[in-house]
Amino acid sequence: SQKIEQNSEALNIQEGKTATLTCNYTNYSPAYLQWYRQDPGRGPVFLLLIRENEKEKRKERLKVTFDTTLKQSLFHITASQPADSATYLCALAIGDDKIIFGKGTRLHILP
Amino acid sequence: DAGVIQSPRHEVTEMGQEVTLRCKPISGHDYLFWYRQTMMRGLELLIYFNNNVPIDDSGMPEDRFSAKMPNASFSTLKIQPSEPRDSAVYFCASSLGTGIPLSTDTQYFGPGTRLTVL
Repeated sequence: SQKIEQNSEALNIQEGKTATLTCNYTNYSPAYLQWYRQDPGRGPVFLLLIRENEKEKRKERLKVTFDTTLKQSLFHITASQPADSATYLCALAIGDDKIIFGKGTRLHILP
Repeated sequence: DAGVIQSPRHEVTEMGQEVTLRCKPISGHDYLFWYRQTMMRGLELLIYFNNNVPIDDSGMPEDRFSAKMPNASFSTLKIQPSEPRDSAVYFCASSLGTGIPLSTDTQYFGPGTRLTVL
């Protein structure tokens, strides 16, 4: 079955630098991949979706890449700010109707 | 719009008791999802509904779990009897259902119910 691997260790990044989070999967490449942000005590919030035929997607300071050869997606936050501190989840499409989530990576932006 | 509403926000109960979690999706959304989140297993899909009809309940852990959606604005997830291993945060999410395919739909999550079974 499909497995998603996100770095379970927290990532500490200095304010102003670029934060890069990794999402690896083990089996077939999904047609779509999504990234969500989750703050403590709250539900996940959708950020970006990228399709398998898109190499890169951008939204303001966010950038997502999708490499089906490496079976990997990278999530970048440029000019990071303390307000970007949160847990970031990647989610893969399973078939046409469902998505499965990784366990997420905690990001701390240090002032 | 108030977003997805869940109640209660916190529930503490004793093993063997019945627990009912409630969800009000965003008005106009055709799909409703129930998830469970734990440190060990992450965020897992339990069941989802389309227009109040359960479509896929393959994620429901066992017969102790049941979910209903009597109308477009209300759903419940019931655990009877509850066990300590059911302790988790339970999320409800809804989506418009306009994504083609559905797996591209943006899901809007509620704040979750933190369940502790002693």
